[in-house]
Amino acid sequence: SQQGEEDPQALSIQEGENATMNCSYKTSINNLQWYRQNSGRGLVHLILIRSNEREKHSGRLRVTLDTSKKSSSLLITASRAADTASYFCGTISGGSNYKLTFGKGTLLTVNP
Amino acid sequence: EADIYQTPRYLVIGTGKKITLECSQTMGHDKMYWYQQDPGMELHLIHYSYGVNSTEKGDLSSESTVSRIRTEHFPLTLESARPSHTSQYLCASSIGGKTGELFFGEGSRLTVL
Repeated sequence: SQQGEEDPQALSIQEGENATMNCSYKTSINNLQWYRQNSGRGLVHLILIRSNEREKHSGRLRVTLDTSKKSSSLLITASRAADTASYFCGTISGGSNYKLTFGKGTLLTVNP
Repeated sequence: EADIYQTPRYLVIGTGKKITLECSQTMGHDKMYWYQQDPGMELHLIHYSYGVNSTEKGDLSSESTVSRIRTEHFPLTLESARPSHTSQYLCASSIGGKTGELFFGEGSRLTVL
């Protein structure tokens, strides 16, 4: 079964608004990573947060991690039409031998 | 920019054909992975390798096989393709370790008629 589950499955917003996506996972993790996938393309790494970190920023991206709730959130501020893509969280579990397991993803549509 | 390449990008073949999806990376990464992505976007790990002559099955059972004879090359083979194999196949590599990010190729979209 999949380790991570993103929520919502789909999100549609207007340009300039903030977009928040959530990820929940089941077992303890070493780190959690967020990826972006444009339609028909491969995944691109966005940001990694370690299990001992609570928040991380990269440009317009803000990631939080709550290990007690086994959840993470990705916030994209001041969204642009070019942010339209699918977003996935991936986790590396303690006993997984470094395999990255993904959730189902959130499809974000930013309307101009 | 990631230096990992997949060929072909698109392939349409008939049932029963043997196919090989190629994946090559020039980053010298030890670890390589194949993911299968269904139309609902969900990604499933089907094969991975920690280095030359190392291959392991992933979380999702697959009729495909892989080989790792060279560090840079990780091809996936289907001996007899069926319509149920129609999917997007994504190859990735990583330096490894518990904090390694994955670098993905652009994917191979396979359609079996």
